[in-house]
Amino acid sequence: GESVGLHLPTLSVQEGDNSIINCAYSNSASDYFIWYKQESGKGPQFIIDIRSNMDKRQGQRVTVLLNKTVKHLSLQIAATQPGDSAVYFCAENDPEYGNKLVFGAGTILRVKS
Amino acid sequence: GAVVSQHPSWVICKSGTSVKIECRSLDFQATTMFWYRQFPKQSLMLMATSNEGSKATYEQGVEKDKFLINHASLTLSTLTVTSAHPEDSSFYICSERVRETQYFGPGTRLLVL
Repeated sequence: GESVGLHLPTLSVQEGDNSIINCAYSNSASDYFIWYKQESGKGPQFIIDIRSNMDKRQGQRVTVLLNKTVKHLSLQIAATQPGDSAVYFCAENDPEYGNKLVFGAGTILRVKS
Repeated sequence: GAVVSQHPSWVICKSGTSVKIECRSLDFQATTMFWYRQFPKQSLMLMATSNEGSKATYEQGVEKDKFLINHASLTLSTLTVTSAHPEDSSFYICSERVRETQYFGPGTRLLVL
């Protein structure tokens, strides 16, 4: 159930463009998913969540899409700003792992001005 | 979301000493808190689940005598790194669960010399 340490992939986008960050999750039994943003030297910050009975949820400038068929989660950020630069982690709530969160490897988002 | 604080935010210690990190829930009563560690450019790795009034549950490979967890009240959990060594240098982050969602503290950077 632990995520494995890996070198993080990087997504570079131009300020004002839309960003799409992808995540493949591991367990088809997972019933709840969260996206977190982590800035350098800080703890993860909750962005948006989605339950497995939904396939899309929108927040302010962010949208999460869930495709249970292929176990894929994505985070879309509209009109990306320099303040969006951070590492983004997806996390799945795995009932088979004691309802603990399992974190993805993370993606670095770099916003170019 | 919930507000979680950690203290200290930074600690440098000599090898062989013990270090205590505090995690406080500021607005919820947290019966369950989690402790993670994070190495540079890696994801979060769950160390243990802290249960108020009972013993912590440790993840496989985490030494419970090395990482002592106490959760004596609904708002405070502590992690003590005993006889710290340079390989214990890491970023330690706690979180509290509110319903299904976890909210994270700002993290504590530990450097063992």
